[in-house]
Amino acid sequence: GAGVSQTPSNKVTEKGKYVELRCDPISGHTALYWYRQSLGQGPEFLIYFQGTGAADDSGLPNDRFFAVRPEGSVSTLKIQRTERGDSAVYLCASSLRHRVINEQFFGPGTRLTVL
Amino acid sequence: KQEVTQIPAALSVPEGENLVLNCSFTDSAIYNLQWFRQDPGKGLTSLLLIQSSQREQTSGRLNASLDKSSGRSTLYIAASQPGDSATYLCAVDGGSTLGRLYFGRGTQLTVWP
Repeated sequence: GAGVSQTPSNKVTEKGKYVELRCDPISGHTALYWYRQSLGQGPEFLIYFQGTGAADDSGLPNDRFFAVRPEGSVSTLKIQRTERGDSAVYLCASSLRHRVINEQFFGPGTRLTVL
Repeated sequence: KQEVTQIPAALSVPEGENLVLNCSFTDSAIYNLQWFRQDPGKGLTSLLLIQSSQREQTSGRLNASLDKSSGRSTLYIAASQPGDSATYLCAVDGGSTLGRLYFGRGTQLTVWP
């Protein structure tokens, strides 16, 4: 596609439920990133994939969060046993990932609300 | 850990003014600095990327400068328009964690007619 797409655009769930958020990167982009943005804050890094593997997952807040990218394209962010504090906008970005030029392009985000 | 600060947090100006938004970062070992625009309820739109070897980049009415040694960048917006109203975010890439962007909180800009 022309840009990064994310589905769903909005997700409302109850505390304790499991959710999956999907990201489709720009075609041909090898690197994919997940960020989380709380109200009034800048995005915070969660995880970065280069190809199929997670190159850096140090931003995941705890073991309830997990992400996969099995074929090196689409990625899914999975959150188990959701908590109210997980409510935020989850942003996905992709890039061509050159050594010194790494312009990241962002999707519209998924707004997650945990009741 | 890289810390990014943006000043001012909010700015409200009449149409036509020239503006300067400021960004500072604590670790000068960066590869890139990227400026984004975010409209309410939307994702981020990339405006400019400056490589660490560059001093500035220009796109239309936007000009971004980078002083890596002092850990500062500025985004200059010429002849502001109401359509420029948005939140502007600064992010740095590199240092000890390649690929990971560190963001400031943004400057919320309102340009009134």
